[in-house]
Amino acid sequence: TQLLEQSPQFLSIQEGENLTVYCNSSSVFSSLQWYRQEPGEGPVLLVTVVTGGEVKKLKRLTFQFGDARKDSSLHITAAQPGDTGLYLCAPRGGSEKLVFGKGTKLTVNP
Amino acid sequence: DVKVTQSSRYLVKRTGEKVFLECVQDMDHENMFWYRQDPGLGLRLIYFSYDVKMKEKGDIPEGYSVSREKKERFSLILESASTNQTSMYLCASSLVRHVGEQYFGPGTRLTVT
Repeated sequence: TQLLEQSPQFLSIQEGENLTVYCNSSSVFSSLQWYRQEPGEGPVLLVTVVTGGEVKKLKRLTFQFGDARKDSSLHITAAQPGDTGLYLCAPRGGSEKLVFGKGTKLTVNP
Repeated sequence: DVKVTQSSRYLVKRTGEKVFLECVQDMDHENMFWYRQDPGLGLRLIYFSYDVKMKEKGDIPEGYSVSREKKERFSLILESASTNQTSMYLCASSLVRHVGEQYFGPGTRLTVT
């Protein structure tokens, strides 16, 4: 059984600060997705990473896939209140199913 | 834009009732999924379907069934609702070759009393 851990579970920061959240597993993934979910809404896909060591940028968000394809990180620069939400990682191990992490709940205070 | 719609945002049902949750997507996606989301437990897959009339059990199928008669529509059925099925239910769809890139509906918050 694949073990998937996201950390931290909760994060509360001030506007303008930088932060990094992590997604770790004991398994190797073929790809990994990051989603953001705002309160009362469904998750929205942010990015897919496929290659070990891959780095993708989406405005102030930087996503990195570990060299061994077992872990990933999301770094946000100069966080804004609009970044508030639940950040979910969802790796794919080769089946038709995704496994979602429990997420990091981020609150950015103005 | 891909649009996934769910029949209700909020639903209150009584224990023992049969409950239907409907999901429709407009992007001709082959795959459709039903999840439930509970605090501390994350998103858990109930059922998924990769084609019309095809279905596969997810991680927590007990107490649920599904129906996919048309490609764009995937229904989740609670045969006899129980209080432990109070949850947020999320529907998603994807192309068969991009199963990791799922598009979600807004969710249905179901309360069973």
